[in-house]
Amino acid sequence: GQQVMQIPQYQHVQEGEDFTTYCNSSTTLSNIQWYKQRPGGHPVFLIQLVKSGEVKKQKRLTFQFGEAKKNSSLHITATQTTDVGTYFCARNQAGTALIFGKGTTLSVSS
Amino acid sequence: GAVVSQHPSWVICKSGTSVKIECRSLDFQATTMFWYRQFPKQSLMLMATSNEGSKATYEQGVEKDKFLINHASLTLSTLTVTSAHPEDSSFYICSARETAGSTEAFFGQGTRLTVV
Repeated sequence: GQQVMQIPQYQHVQEGEDFTTYCNSSTTLSNIQWYKQRPGGHPVFLIQLVKSGEVKKQKRLTFQFGEAKKNSSLHITATQTTDVGTYFCARNQAGTALIFGKGTTLSVSS
Repeated sequence: GAVVSQHPSWVICKSGTSVKIECRSLDFQATTMFWYRQFPKQSLMLMATSNEGSKATYEQGVEKDKFLINHASLTLSTLTVTSAHPEDSSFYICSARETAGSTEAFFGQGTRLTVV
């Protein structure tokens, strides 16, 4: 299956700054999911986006799904040290397995 | 949420030996489980789909004879790395969904394999 492209690969910010990671696909996605993996940990589900143009918020996190359903973004407002980790977007393969993007690793300095 | 337990969390083995990793769904039945491999600072790469009571489906480039998968019950899938080599050293992680239509995938804690 085709992997979703994710940028940037790494991002370092000062605590309080905003952060955004982008996910792009060459084909239309039925839905897209976002996961967070802390250093040494396993991926934890954050959210799924299904509808064209959908925007969902979880506290300081804002998730968007593009109108064409080919791209998505995760934006964190006023980052905190607890936001450190790698954020992955993932698409479903054949409705079951997840195919992950390369991830964006966020580091935050206080 | 549902719990997926993976064991062991880390293992060191000698080259040429085999290592078995277990993945259990603790509070739900999983007819399908997924095995991923993650190299340092890289993404999770799908290795295979484990199907209860039938053969696993392997992704392209994954050697089925080297990575043996057995899904003998609705709550247990095992991955055996046979004749391990140092290049097999990696983080192996399983996942499952409560039902085929479930949105969220739950992941085991992962197994860090080091082959010396």
